[in-house]
Amino acid sequence: EAEVAQSPRYKITEKSQAVAFWCDPISGHATLYWYRQILGQGPELLVQFQDESVVDDSQLPKDRFSAERLKGVDSTLKIQPAELGDSAMYLCASSPREGRENSPLHFGNGTRLTVT
Amino acid sequence: RKEVEQDPGPFNVPEGATVAFNCTYSNSASQSFFWYRQDCRKEPKLLMSVYSSGNEDGRFTAQLNRASQYISLLIRDSKLSDSATYLCVVGRWKLSFGAGTTVTVRA
Repeated sequence: EAEVAQSPRYKITEKSQAVAFWCDPISGHATLYWYRQILGQGPELLVQFQDESVVDDSQLPKDRFSAERLKGVDSTLKIQPAELGDSAMYLCASSPREGRENSPLHFGNGTRLTVT
Repeated sequence: RKEVEQDPGPFNVPEGATVAFNCTYSNSASQSFFWYRQDCRKEPKLLMSVYSSGNEDGRFTAQLNRASQYISLLIRDSKLSDSATYLCVVGRWKLSFGAGTTVTVRA
């Protein structure tokens, strides 16, 4: 079964440093999502792409977070500078299409970020 | 008010028992409903979609009540392997996640 690929699996960084996460969605999936999940909470949407365009980044802290999906395939999420409160699981997901009825999301393994 | 709310539990049940829990949502225009399962420190995985007429998948039954704006999940004949957090996902255009309901099945 095709999977969403994410890397790295784990990342430890010091506060004020830059960190980047990479995601390769399931082939053919037009919609790509980045979620952040803090322990004990549900995933929170950071940014949603439809092909290479941002559809929703209303919850993305734009002063320090950026995301791109230049060719409409894989995507990178960057944090600069990292803060202690950014420690969380960062999940990438993809779905075949965006429309009136949402398709289920397929998640990657996630990147567990620890900021020290 | 949160868009999607779940009883966090935990629901501690013996093997073989039936357990059920609900998820309420605030946006009456929601069109898509899913249940995901998440094991500790792992990614969420789709358990089942929820359809208007209700649907079953083996020991799992999902129901949708649009009038009262909630969905439910029922697990029959619980197995140890059903121990997990169950996330409710609801939306239209944008999907929102609940914080999850933790189920622990004991031997």
